[in-house]
Amino acid sequence: QKEVEQNSGPLSVPEGAIASLNCTYSDRGSQSFFWYRQYSGKSPELIMFIYSNGDKEDGRFTAQLNKASQYVSLLIRDSQPSDSATYLCAVNKGGGSNYKLTFGKGTLLTVNP
Amino acid sequence: DAGVTQSPTHLIKTRGQQVTLRCSPKSGHDTVSWYQQALGQGPQFIFQYYEEEERQRGNFPDRFSGHQFPNYSSELNVNALLLGDSALYLCASSLVDAETQYFGPGTRLLVL
Repeated sequence: QKEVEQNSGPLSVPEGAIASLNCTYSDRGSQSFFWYRQYSGKSPELIMFIYSNGDKEDGRFTAQLNKASQYVSLLIRDSQPSDSATYLCAVNKGGGSNYKLTFGKGTLLTVNP
Repeated sequence: DAGVTQSPTHLIKTRGQQVTLRCSPKSGHDTVSWYQQALGQGPQFIFQYYEEEERQRGNFPDRFSGHQFPNYSSELNVNALLLGDSALYLCASSLVDAETQYFGPGTRLLVL
């Protein structure tokens, strides 16, 4: 089982719709969770992070975390063509000596005008 | 506020050669992590440096080595390059014990 799994997509949504991106992780002890956006040919850009169960909202973005189900998601409301990118889910196990981020392969999102 | 910077942006090498990539962290950050991102994959952790010491290492061979300088900037060295080392190399900076990492623009390495 991969440590962090995402559907590779592509996920295609019309402009103005809600895009829902999902991620599961295998280590139940994982403590912090990140969503990065990566445009083609560019480096990852941090969108949001979440540590606690529940929802966290920032503008059009909402991150949702369910530690019992080992599941984290990102909702993008009112999707725009400029949101078209690969979305990377990353997990940090936390603890005394775990500093690395473990990434999924990413989900390619296409927002159609 | 200066973000993370990396140099060079692109590099072409041949098998067996050695390469050095450079990174300057975001202003105020003291910790640097390096990642390798192959085409179509997520970034993979190589190692992290803090206080000029390697603090954690991922599953990469000893051909990959690094260094951090007193001004917090860092270098990634790769010896005996293989075709499979072709990738985007990303530097990420953070504050010590802060889990949020911010990426630089990356160095795209092509090994022929």
